[in-house]
Amino acid sequence: SQQGEEDPQALSIQEGENATMNCSYKTSINNLQWYRQNSGRGLVHLILIRSNEREKHSGRLRVTLDTSKKSSSLLITASRAADTASYFCATDALGGGSNYKLTFGKGTLLTVNP
Amino acid sequence: DAGITQSPRHKVTETGTPVTLRCHQTENHRYMYWYRQDPGHGLRLIHYSYGVKDTDKGEVSDGYSVSRSKTEDFLLTLESATSSQTSVYFCAIRAALAGTTDTQYFGPGTRLTVL
Repeated sequence: SQQGEEDPQALSIQEGENATMNCSYKTSINNLQWYRQNSGRGLVHLILIRSNEREKHSGRLRVTLDTSKKSSSLLITASRAADTASYFCATDALGGGSNYKLTFGKGTLLTVNP
Repeated sequence: DAGITQSPRHKVTETGTPVTLRCHQTENHRYMYWYRQDPGHGLRLIHYSYGVKDTDKGEVSDGYSVSRSKTEDFLLTLESATSSQTSVYFCAIRAALAGTTDTQYFGPGTRLTVL
């Protein structure tokens, strides 16, 4: 079963607007990561937030983590047409051993209209 | 791109035939993973490897086997392909790049169609 579930499944915005995607998960985690996938390509790592962190920034990306609610959000500010992609959260479950297995959600398809 | 290549990139095969997909990395990473991606399911882990000849099952391992005889190569085999195995297959490695840890880096994918 999927550990992470993104919400919404699809999001369409205009260039310059902010985009917010949410991820909920079920079990305790070591860290949560966000990945991006352009159509027809492999996934690209965006940002990692550890279970003891609440917020992290990287360029136009802001990630928050609420372990009490088992949820995370990814905010992309001042979106660009080039941000059009699918975005996935992935969790590294606590107690999952040392093999660094990630469990991915089903993704949010973001479309940024010029 | 962490030096990951996958071959073939596209393959069409018939039900019942064996298929082997190859993942090759050039940077001596210990951990390698095979995922499949299907609409409505996201990415699901098939098998993973934590060293030469050390492999284990993931979430959707039925119908798949893997081998890792060299650090750089991780092979995924469908012994007898079925239409339900039509999917896009991604290989990934775990690496600590640019100051991050516990992240995975993905290959370009193999699109497999089983008729």
